[in-house]
Amino acid sequence: LAKTTQPISMDSYEGQEVNITCSHNNIATNDYITWYQQFPSQGPRFIIQGYKTKVTNEVASLFIPADRKSSTLSLPRVSLSDTAVYYCLVGVMGGSQGNLIFGKGTKLSVKP
Amino acid sequence: GAVVSQHPSWVICKSGTSVKIECRSLDFQATTMFWYRQFPKQSLMLMATSNEGSKATYEQGVEKDKFLINHASLTLSTLTVTSAHPEDSSFYICSARAQGDIGTSSYEQYFGPGTRLTVT
Repeated sequence: LAKTTQPISMDSYEGQEVNITCSHNNIATNDYITWYQQFPSQGPRFIIQGYKTKVTNEVASLFIPADRKSSTLSLPRVSLSDTAVYYCLVGVMGGSQGNLIFGKGTKLSVKP
Repeated sequence: GAVVSQHPSWVICKSGTSVKIECRSLDFQATTMFWYRQFPKQSLMLMATSNEGSKATYEQGVEKDKFLINHASLTLSTLTVTSAHPEDSSFYICSARAQGDIGTSSYEQYFGPGTRLTVT
């Protein structure tokens, strides 16, 4: 499974757009990129998943360049409730095992 | 959407006793379930992968005789912490991967809310 590197922490203010970049230089051809959000004392929550180019859903966008060696999670107009740890994971989710290996994640702090 | 529950949500036990944690997929069948452990201010660490009807696969460094995993049905996996010690105190989280397509992607894993174990 490809190793990922993310910033340890980020600060933002309410209403701003937040972009969290993840590096995954050793991503394999079959790997997907998935982002999870975790609040304290809760299980991770799926945010978005993509393979290439751009994916958008009701909560976020995921930008993946052509070489797929990095990806950027974009959260539009964050609020205080978006304060959480965000994990970028790379792997073959639907493969024979599909086990997810979590890196350290990015702790996002949104201030009023 | 797919929901995974865990029971109990928190438990306190005495050192030397055993504790069982249940993980259920409520509205889908999970061929594979995963167990993670998370210590304060740290990331999730995969402990084992559990496939229905077969023995669990444990990650390196995880004692299979101490952390007993049973995946007896497509909707239930259990983790039993045997002879618990204070250093086993942690947040235990399970996840389930759906059999076939669920929701918008067949590649999602659905996480439970976690179980806080405190061993005194």
